[in-house]
Amino acid sequence: EPEVTQTPSHQVTQMGQEVILRCVPISNHLYFYWYRQILGQKVEFLVSFYNNEISEKSEIFDDQFSVERPDGSNFTLKIRSTKLEDSAMYFCASSAEPFGEQYFGPGTRLTVT
Amino acid sequence: QKEVEQNSGPLSVPEGAIASLNCTYSDRGSQSFFWYRQYSGKSPELIMFIYSNGDKEDGRFTAQLNKASQYVSLLIRDSQPSDSATYLCAVNGPSGSARQLTFGSGTQLTVLP
Repeated sequence: EPEVTQTPSHQVTQMGQEVILRCVPISNHLYFYWYRQILGQKVEFLVSFYNNEISEKSEIFDDQFSVERPDGSNFTLKIRSTKLEDSAMYFCASSAEPFGEQYFGPGTRLTVT
Repeated sequence: QKEVEQNSGPLSVPEGAIASLNCTYSDRGSQSFFWYRQYSGKSPELIMFIYSNGDKEDGRFTAQLNKASQYVSLLIRDSQPSDSATYLCAVNGPSGSARQLTFGSGTQLTVLP
């Protein structure tokens, strides 16, 4: 069964450093998303991406964040200057249709020290 | 601002019983409704989705949607200890924000052997 994959599973970085989180969406899906979940809190939407551009973004997704589809399979989230409050699980998801079912990857646990 | 509300629980049911999980949402324009299961430290796993008023059954799971009351529920029949997890309600839409899911805070379910 096709699935979303994410690397790395755990990333530890120092405050102020840049990190890139990687995702491989399900191959025939066209819509890609990043969500995050701070420990003990709700899953929060960050950004959606379609046809090589951002479709929607939340207030969380400020100038320190960017997304890219560098090739036909990968989808990346870059956090430019990490802060302590960026520590969270980051989930990539993909769907075949805009209102359709979104399937989540296993997540990357980001720890900013 | 869209809101999705769930009883946080914890909800405990004996093995073999029916577990009933409820969710309300604030935006009448919402179009798609999802139930995810999340085990501790893991990513959300899609278990049910529903788009139309009424009931939708899949194995031991039944999703119910009432758009007039802005209410979604999930019934789990013949509950098993392996069903113990946090259940997340998620809502998609309206068309202006069609692609992002808004999540509730989840209901923690424990199935007692």
